[in-house]
Parts: sequence; C-alpha cells; structure tokens
Amino acid sequence: DQQVKQNSPSLSVQEGRISILNCDYTNSMFDYFLWYKKYPAEGPTFLISISSIKDKNEDGRFTVFLNKSAKHLSLHIVPSQPGDSAVYFCAARAGSARQLTFGSGTQLTVLP
Amino acid sequence: GAGVSQSPSNKVTEKGKDVELRCDPISGHTALYWYRQRLGQGLEFLIYFQGNSAPDKSGLPSDRFSAERTGESVSTLTIQRTQQEDSAVYLCASSLANGQGYEQYFGPGTRLTVT
Repeated sequence: DQQVKQNSPSLSVQEGRISILNCDYTNSMFDYFLWYKKYPAEGPTFLISISSIKDKNEDGRFTVFLNKSAKHLSLHIVPSQPGDSAVYFCAARAGSARQLTFGSGTQLTVLP
Repeated sequence: GAGVSQSPSNKVTEKGKDVELRCDPISGHTALYWYRQRLGQGLEFLIYFQGNSAPDKSGLPSDRFSAERTGESVSTLTIQRTQQEDSAVYLCASSLANGQGYEQYFGPGTRLTVT
C-alpha cells in the first residue's frame, strides 16, 4: 500500500512557465515532507522541505505548499528552466521514524 | 568535500550468486541508510544505521539481505542467492544525524542486474 503517491508520472512545461508537481499521502503520522530531484545516473539530491507546522516554504524559485486537511503537497517551480528537467520525488517522514517514505516520482521536462 | 560514494556502479550477476555492494558515507555523518529503487517505482527503505546503535532492519525484504557498518564508516549490503526480482538500483544515503533538518545525501547508486 503506497503511503506517498505521485499520480503524474510525467509533466512537460514550457521554459519560463510555472511547473506544479503534486503529491498525496495517506499516513496522518507524517509530519515532515521533502522534495528530491534526480538526474539520470545520479542519486537524488535534496531540494526543499516543509514541516507540518507550516503550510508554505519558499527557497528561490522553489516553493512547497502543504495542505494537511487534504493530505496533499505540491512543489511549484517558477520560472521553470531547462536545467530543471529531472525526476522529482516527494518523500515523507513520520515523527521518530528514521526512514523516508518516497513516492514513485514525476519526470519533469522543461521545453526550451 | 566528497559526497557519498558507492561501488560498483553497475553489477551484473547470475541468479543464485551472492553480491556485495559498498557505500562510503560523507565523513562525520553518523546516520547511514540503504534504499532500493525498482524500475518505475519510488525508493524503498531497506536498513538504517545510527552510530553504534543496533541497526533498524525493518525494511529488509528477506533473510537473503544483510548489511554491516563498522562504526561511522563504510557499509556493505550483501544479497545472498540473488533472484531476478532483486534487480534494482541500490542507493545509499548518509546524514549528520537523524531527525528533521538533517537531510539525507544520496550516493549515485549501484545498478544490480540479476540474469
């Protein structure tokens, strides 16, 4: 049973436009959420995170929104750049749990 | 500074053979994690080491899988009697400690193919 779901396996966006990647979760114990970006043949790299006490966290072009009542989070990238093309993974952690639970990823392609 | 390194980068093995995968964490990182990513799927937690504490093995899929870590250094993941369903990318990550704010840094992974 997938506790973290990324229902869109792929997304294409024009350069300069906004990219919105979505993630849903089912475990109400999750209280910390992260986004990782992965290029081919490389490990995932940390992008941005948000604690459940917040509903928004911003870092440059990247903003993560958390809607706890809907158990939904999203990553906004604006403006999108061709170098943003990668697989984006949503991940979550529950309280004292050590490991992260990952979604299956969304392949973002930013078209020049 | 050096990131997390893993070796080998690729491994092809015959069904039934044993394989050993290696992870060198970032120096000073006390926490080390192993994950597995099957084709088209997300990362699946396998095992976690924190300092000298007993490892959390709750994600290991079967007793054919084992891992060791000496202190806060290198870790090895061993898969005995490999099966085709073991084919995946095995990723290692390390962090300064466990908890919010201590992000996990991933290595490039070892792609294991069992024929």
